Amino acid sequence: AQSVSQHNHHVILSEAASLELGCNYSYGGTVNLFWYVQYPGQHLQLLLKYFSGDPLVKGIKGFEAEFIKSKFSFNLRKPSVQWSDTAEYFCAVWSSGTYKYIFGTGTRLKVLA
Amino acid sequence: DVKVTQSSRYLVKRTGEKVFLECVQDMDHENMFWYRQDPGLGLRLIYFSYDVKMKEKGDIPEGYSVSREKKERFSLILESASTNQTSMYLCASSREPGLGEQFFGPGTRLTVL
Repeated sequence: AQSVSQHNHHVILSEAASLELGCNYSYGGTVNLFWYVQYPGQHLQLLLKYFSGDPLVKGIKGFEAEFIKSKFSFNLRKPSVQWSDTAEYFCAVWSSGTYKYIFGTGTRLKVLA
Repeated sequence: DVKVTQSSRYLVKRTGEKVFLECVQDMDHENMFWYRQDPGLGLRLIYFSYDVKMKEKGDIPEGYSVSREKKERFSLILESASTNQTSMYLCASSREPGLGEQFFGPGTRLTVL
């Protein structure tokens, strides 16, 4: 069965630290990849997405992600986090085989001021 | 701005009751989705619909049904609510499956006593 793995369930960082959240998926066909963020008390919203082309994609608020096809990975990065980045982050994969989105279990990020 | 609205933010029901969760989107999106969000489990797809009167089972459809009589409205029905259906329910819509982002509603926190 297809799956999406987010290995870090809880991450605590100090402001200005660098962030990398891991996301791996288990599907060999065509995939589209997404990172969503849920700030406390708010809707889930899109951070960035990858469909094709340059494997390094930039999103909102200084986030970026790199698609590494050989590793089935789509890790999220930010060079310097801010307190306002405290949120839960979800990786999602859409596959042409199943025609549906699959989400990871999420990573709760807490940034200390 | 895309808006996805859900009929209730909080709902408390008793075991065995029939529960209706309503979702409306105002952007003429073809695709609509119902997820449940539980801590440590991320978002799990219950049902989705790519057209009016069309529905497809997601990963956890047991105990749920859906209705899509109009393009903008997608209803989730719990035929006989049980305590293990206590959860946050999220509705989402998108223009094209896999190619576009999903827009999420604010969620309905359902408690079944």
